[in-house]
Amino acid sequence: QTVVTQEPSLTVSPGGTVTLTCASSTGAVTSGYYPNWFQQKPGQAPRALIYSTSNKHSWTPARFSGSLLGGKAALTLSGVQPEDEAEYYCLLYYGGAYVFGTGTKVTVL
Amino acid sequence: EVQLVESGGGLVQPGRSLRLSCTASGFTFGDYAMSWVRQAPGKGLEWVGFIRSKAYGGTTEYAASVKGRFTISRDDSKSIAYLQMNSLKTEDTAVYYCTRAIGTVVTPRGIDYWGQGTLVTVSS
Repeated sequence: QTVVTQEPSLTVSPGGTVTLTCASSTGAVTSGYYPNWFQQKPGQAPRALIYSTSNKHSWTPARFSGSLLGGKAALTLSGVQPEDEAEYYCLLYYGGAYVFGTGTKVTVL
Repeated sequence: EVQLVESGGGLVQPGRSLRLSCTASGFTFGDYAMSWVRQAPGKGLEWVGFIRSKAYGGTTEYAASVKGRFTISRDDSKSIAYLQMNSLKTEDTAVYYCTRAIGTVVTPRGIDYWGQGTLVTVSS
C-alpha cells in the first residue's frame, strides 16, 4: 500500500517562511505525480492551492509556492499570515489512482 | 461561479446501500472528470475515485478500499455526478466531498473545486 508522508506539524512566526514536504513510499516524487496542495481550516471544506507541482489557481495567494525538493514535493509559505494557520494536504497521482498525504498542521505563533 | 452541491448523506446500517449526488453548476459539466473524496471524523483526506468525461470514455478509477463496493457515474444532461455505495461498513463513516478534476484531459492533473460535503454515518 502506497503511503504519502508529510510532517505532522510545523510552527512558524508571522512574517516568516516555512516549507512543507510530501514524500512517497515508492521513491522520489517527480512532476509525473502531478503534486497538488490543499489547505483546510476547521469545519471547512479543503481549498486547492497548487496543482501540477507549481501551478497556482487564480485564487491562490502569491505567498504560496510549490516545487520539487530533494525527491519530495514541497509547499513553501513566505511571509506567513495568521490566517495561514490550517491543515495542509498534498495529493499525488499513481497511474490511475490518487493518494493524499497524511497532512501537516501549521501553527502560526 | 463554479458550484458543487452534494446531497443524499445520512445514517445507514452496515451492509446497506446509499447513493450520493453532486449537482454542478457554473461550468460545462460534461467536459470535466469528477472525483469523490472523503474524510472520516477527525482524520485526513482519502481519495475515493473519479470518473472521466465522456470524451475519454467516462471510465472510472477507484481507491482499493472501495473498489467493488462503490460506483461512480454521471448524468451530463443534468450536470450530476453520483456515488453509489454498497455493502457499507462502519469505516465508511465520513464526510464525502464532490470535487472537480483539473483539466479536460484523460489524466486529471488534480482537483480544483470542492463541494461543502455531505456526512454519511454507517452505524447500527
